[in-house]
Amino acid sequence: QITLKESGPTLVKPTQTLTLTCTFSGFSLTTSGVGVGWIRQPPGKALEWLALIYWNDEKRFSPSLKSRLTITKDTSKNQVVLTMTNMDPVDTATYYCARYASGSYFYWGQGTLVTVSS
Amino acid sequence: QSALTQPPSASGSPGQSVTISCTGTSSDVGGYNYVSWYQQHPGKAPKLMIYEVSKRPSGVPDRFSGSKSGNTASLTVSGLQAEDEADYYCSSYAGSNNPYVFGTGTKVTVL
Repeated sequence: QITLKESGPTLVKPTQTLTLTCTFSGFSLTTSGVGVGWIRQPPGKALEWLALIYWNDEKRFSPSLKSRLTITKDTSKNQVVLTMTNMDPVDTATYYCARYASGSYFYWGQGTLVTVSS
Repeated sequence: QSALTQPPSASGSPGQSVTISCTGTSSDVGGYNYVSWYQQHPGKAPKLMIYEVSKRPSGVPDRFSGSKSGNTASLTVSGLQAEDEADYYCSSYAGSNNPYVFGTGTKVTVL
């Protein structure tokens, strides 16, 4: 059974750095073709793709957010960490991590709501 | 990278069919056979319904079907049921430098 779960702060202040951890089970991030990505959704708005890390440690980022994002993996812990710098109230959203393969996100975490406010 | 364009809403009566379009460009939808569709109920995480344009993951009813023509992909839900009422998002691979783009989302209402 494949599961993913996001963890991190629910409230961050403007200009702070957000660090989110995705802890997964049921698959390995050393399997060829597999990746873990991050997607966010502001309240009442559409999904927005943020970043993806592949099994071979290649990384891809949304061009509009690339300068603010970092993604890393720890295969021994089955974790992927996303950091986003210089948080702003417009970054308030539910952040999801999901398992990527064959061009799609087959399995999703439950999401974690992050509010940016002073 | 711009979001893929979807109609804001679509509706149908139980038992009817509804088709949702997803329009992109030759750099995304038209350039690759990696179009996906996700269903999202309120307060829930998205669920993959279609991948690689027309394939269904295990457990997804065959009432859901996908297709693509040129730069436009489509999701058809046949035999609408009350539980199909949800938001639907398309997505596409868009190249190695920006590998993923989502659609603007469509709210499907079962009348």
